[in-house]
Amino acid sequence: DAKTTQPPSMDCAEGRAANLPCNHSTISGNEYVYWYRQIHSQGPQYIIHGLKNNETNEMASLIITEDRKSSTLILPHATLRDTAVYYCIVRVAVSYDKVIFGPGTSLSVIP
Amino acid sequence: KAGVTQTPRYLIKTRGQQVTLSCSPISGHRSVSWYQQTPGQGLQFLFEYFSETQRNKGNFPGRFSGRQFSNSRSEMNVSTLELGDSALYLCASSPSDRDGPEAFFGQGTRLTVV
Repeated sequence: DAKTTQPPSMDCAEGRAANLPCNHSTISGNEYVYWYRQIHSQGPQYIIHGLKNNETNEMASLIITEDRKSSTLILPHATLRDTAVYYCIVRVAVSYDKVIFGPGTSLSVIP
Repeated sequence: KAGVTQTPRYLIKTRGQQVTLSCSPISGHRSVSWYQQTPGQGLQFLFEYFSETQRNKGNFPGRFSGRQFSNSRSEMNVSTLELGDSALYLCASSPSDRDGPEAFFGQGTRLTVV
């Protein structure tokens, strides 16, 4: 079963920051937080991951709370192409740990 | 660098038939995982292969099987197809078994069973 909870849907105005929350209150010390997104009918796309420090890359920023029980994915300037389902996943840091996807958050970026 | 390639992209089969789907991972990636995605169940893990060995398996019946070749390419097979097997089948590859690898997904094979 998925170890995360996310709101089922969110709206965001184009050009504004999209802040997508994720709760993972049972996260273990060796588990990372990963974010993926899936645009309609395409394969999921990796966005970012982190252990306990905040992370930033060209796509997004990841803010993890100090107790690691929740995190927020930030898309700084959302565009229409960011409309997708966003998945927050926790997993240990080796590839054989299966990736368990929850229902995710359906983000709609509105013009 | 080429991404994960899945073939075919679309497939229509009849109940009772079998099907084989193919996945070519990113060059250098040794881990390949398979997922089934349906509107009702979402994304569900099928199995994962590393160096030709199945390392992890989801909760699917024995009709679903897979294998990995020495060049890391992978195939999955579904025998005795049922209508409920209609889904998008996704393959993901990862570079290694070291810390924090992200999975790169292909575009998927959309299987329709009629």
